[in-house]
Amino acid sequence: DQQVKQNSPSLSVQEGRISILNCDYTNSMFDYFLWYKKYPAEGPTFLISISSIKDKNEDGRFTVFLNKSAKHLSLHIVPSQPGDSAVYFCAATARFGNEKLTFGTGTRLTIIP
Amino acid sequence: GAGVSQSPSNKVTEKGKDVELRCDPISGHTALYWYRQSLGQGLEFLIYFQGNSAPDKSGLPSDRFSAERTGGSVSTLTIQRTQQEDSAVYLCASRLQIQGGYGYTFGSGTRLTVV
Repeated sequence: DQQVKQNSPSLSVQEGRISILNCDYTNSMFDYFLWYKKYPAEGPTFLISISSIKDKNEDGRFTVFLNKSAKHLSLHIVPSQPGDSAVYFCAATARFGNEKLTFGTGTRLTIIP
Repeated sequence: GAGVSQSPSNKVTEKGKDVELRCDPISGHTALYWYRQSLGQGLEFLIYFQGNSAPDKSGLPSDRFSAERTGGSVSTLTIQRTQQEDSAVYLCASRLQIQGGYGYTFGSGTRLTVV
């Protein structure tokens, strides 16, 4: 049972344009969400997160939006840069209890110069 | 060290052999996690250590998998009688609780290939 879903395995975006990566979840206990970026042969690196008490969190070129009623979150990157080309993983956790991260399958983002 | 260190970075082993994967977390991080990423898959949770509490082993796929964390620091993931489906990148992460949320730092992983 895939509790965190990233339905787009890949996405190509022109440099300078906006990249939008989507993520859906099914577990209503999740109340904290994170985005990780992964380059080949490296571990995932934390990018941005959002708590369920918010619907938007912004950090520089990166903004994460959370729609709790739809159980949907998205990552916006603007403007997109060639260095943003990587695999992006969405992750979710319940703050109390296990606290392990549940990851999606990832979206490979390619920025076209 | 400055980051989470994993060794070896690559391991090729014959089917049926045992392997040990090592993780050195960031000093002071109380929680340590093992995940694996199989080809074309997301990160699959394996096991979680938190301080002196009993580990959460709910993600271990079979009894051939075990892990320990000695002295609250270094962790070893052991896979006995390896099978080809064990081939994956095994990632370790340690956690620092930051205000308002959680921060996980991942190592670069061990790429395990069972031939």
